[in-house]
Parts: sequence; C-alpha cells; structure tokens
Amino acid sequence: NAGVTQTPKFRILKIGQSMTLQCTQDMNHNYMYWYRQDPGMGLKLIYYSVGAGITDKGEVPNGYNVSRSTTEDFPLRLELAAPSQTSVYFCASHRQSPQETQYFGPGTRLLVL
Amino acid sequence: AQKITQTQPGMFVQEKEAVTLDCTYDTSDPSYGLFWYKQPSSGEMIFLIYQGSYDQQNATEGRYSLNFQKARKSANLVISASQLGDSAMYFCAMREPLYTGNQFYFGTGTSLTVIP
Repeated sequence: NAGVTQTPKFRILKIGQSMTLQCTQDMNHNYMYWYRQDPGMGLKLIYYSVGAGITDKGEVPNGYNVSRSTTEDFPLRLELAAPSQTSVYFCASHRQSPQETQYFGPGTRLLVL
Repeated sequence: AQKITQTQPGMFVQEKEAVTLDCTYDTSDPSYGLFWYKQPSSGEMIFLIYQGSYDQQNATEGRYSLNFQKARKSANLVISASQLGDSAMYFCAMREPLYTGNQFYFGTGTSLTVIP
C-alpha cells in the first residue's frame, strides 16, 4: 500500500496564480483532511471530508476550496494565491477502527512570491 | 480559548531516561479523541498514540504511553527509555466529536532533544 500520496512536493507560485494540490489514499478511509503548517507552528485544519461528496470547513478555509468525488482523492484548490498562503500543506486520512489513527502524506511545500 | 495547549517549547532528556511532554485540552463535549504525533527534522508527521475520552485505561504503544487525566483535561505523553532518534517535534491534537463535525486542533508543539 502506498498510504497517502501528495503531489507536488514543492511549488513556487506568483501572487494571483491558482493551483491544485493533489492527495490520494489507498486505504479506503472515509475521513480525509487538509492541514497547513506555518513555520514553528502546529497544524491548522483547512477542510475535511467525511466521505465522497461531503466536505466541510475547518479552522482556516479562506482562500481554499476542496472537492471529494471519490473515496481515494481529495484535492485542495488555491485560488488567487497570496503570500499568506506560503506554508507546508499536509493531507491526511483517518482510520476510525479498530483504533483511530491518522495517516499523513509527505507534505507539499508552497512558496507564494 | 486555545483548544490544545503545550506549554513546553523545548525539552532535553538524557538518553535512556524517561520524559513527559505536557498537553492540556479544552472541550465541553464528552466524546473526543486525543492524539500525539512526532515530526522529525525531515518534516513528515508520524502518528504515535491515541486515547479516546471514554477509554478507561491509559493508552500505550511500545515506549509511548499517554497519561490521561480527564478531570484535569490533560493528556501527557510519556516516552520511556529515550533514544537519540526520539529527537523531534511532538504535537498533541484533539478531535472533537464526530457528530459535531470531527474538527481537529493541534498544539504548537514541543521540541525534544535527546542528549547522548
């Protein structure tokens, strides 16, 4: 199993550009999450999904959009990139049983200039 | 109010000694989950241990144990027999109830350095 994969690993964007961060999991988990981690900080939840077709906002959703058309894929869309979106982005899938566990992707480092 | 508080920005421990990393949380819901993660300098997030709010016993996973004190709203991570490879950032997190949205909150982390 590959677990959770994210692409790209690193990207530089110009202010105002848009991009999609890809996230795929092969564990058949219903719950998936997008976080951002600013330097020296913990993770903040951007969006999450409890299953295909169902998404909801987290703590910091402004400037982002998500979709969940399949169980496997949970892309994060940045529209009109701003320097404040410079961060490391982590996607995670969540196993609920037999014990709750979150599996993280390797992260995407985004720089907006 | 902060949902998760980690008050120790940095900790040092001698190799082979035990260390406790503090975490307090804030929620009024009776059903929640508590998690600890390790983030080495390479940047990946590694799940360590989970404690459910209704679990009667403290969770253990190998050298990791979670000292869960519900009345005090604390969920401290204990690492026994520290190894050099334990040097990393450690994050505490809380999942709010699934029926209210399943939101996750992370603390600001504790940097652990294991001294040979």
